[in-house]
Amino acid sequence: QSVLTQPPSVSAAPGQKVTISCSGSSSNIGNNYVSWYQQLPGTAPKLLIYDNNKRPSGIPDRFSGSKSGTSATLGITGLQTGDEADYYCGTWDSSLSAGHVVFGGGTKLTVL
Amino acid sequence: QVQLVQSGAEVKKPGASVKVSCKASGYTFTSYDINWVRQATGQGLEWMGWMNPNSGNTGYAQKFQGRVTMTRNTSISTAYMELSSLRSEDTAVYYCAREGGQLVKFDYWGQGTLVTVSS
Repeated sequence: QSVLTQPPSVSAAPGQKVTISCSGSSSNIGNNYVSWYQQLPGTAPKLLIYDNNKRPSGIPDRFSGSKSGTSATLGITGLQTGDEADYYCGTWDSSLSAGHVVFGGGTKLTVL
Repeated sequence: QVQLVQSGAEVKKPGASVKVSCKASGYTFTSYDINWVRQATGQGLEWMGWMNPNSGNTGYAQKFQGRVTMTRNTSISTAYMELSSLRSEDTAVYYCAREGGQLVKFDYWGQGTLVTVSS
């Protein structure tokens, strides 16, 4: 059971838009920045979004992030078959005696 | 270009220890924290802890306290993660990741090291 809750799967057609939600609490998302990672099959995760909505250089603006209260959302527009991957949200959590990193359980994106 | 290159796959027996290395290049090793994240087959990402390569300070996930040790050798820009008292549930791919200046901004990842625990 992950601390951050993501839908197990989402799907959409090529060219369409999809959103992936990430729900947490005041000890994590509510008071910390959220990052998003894309993991293509058989590869290491790749940073897509950090500080809730910033994109590292090289990440196309088809990918966007937002945060409201204790939830965050990843948006992907103009879906491509190459976007088929697992997506994870992550943030800092201060609920224990020492802070720690928590991830969502991951969302599998299928581009139909 | 920034690279993190990890050591090769390991097979260990239950109760043994494993030490995975992560060699950094393309940046100043002591300027960014290194985190370790693992992933069992078909499962999600699980954070294990962080290490500051400059000071050697570490912080471990509660789940791994007492079993994990993160160290570094600054002369060769290499971070290490040692996990002891291995059990079958520790079978996973272990990743090192550079924390790029902000919390949970893991901007560069190693290629992963498969650790298999089997009798």
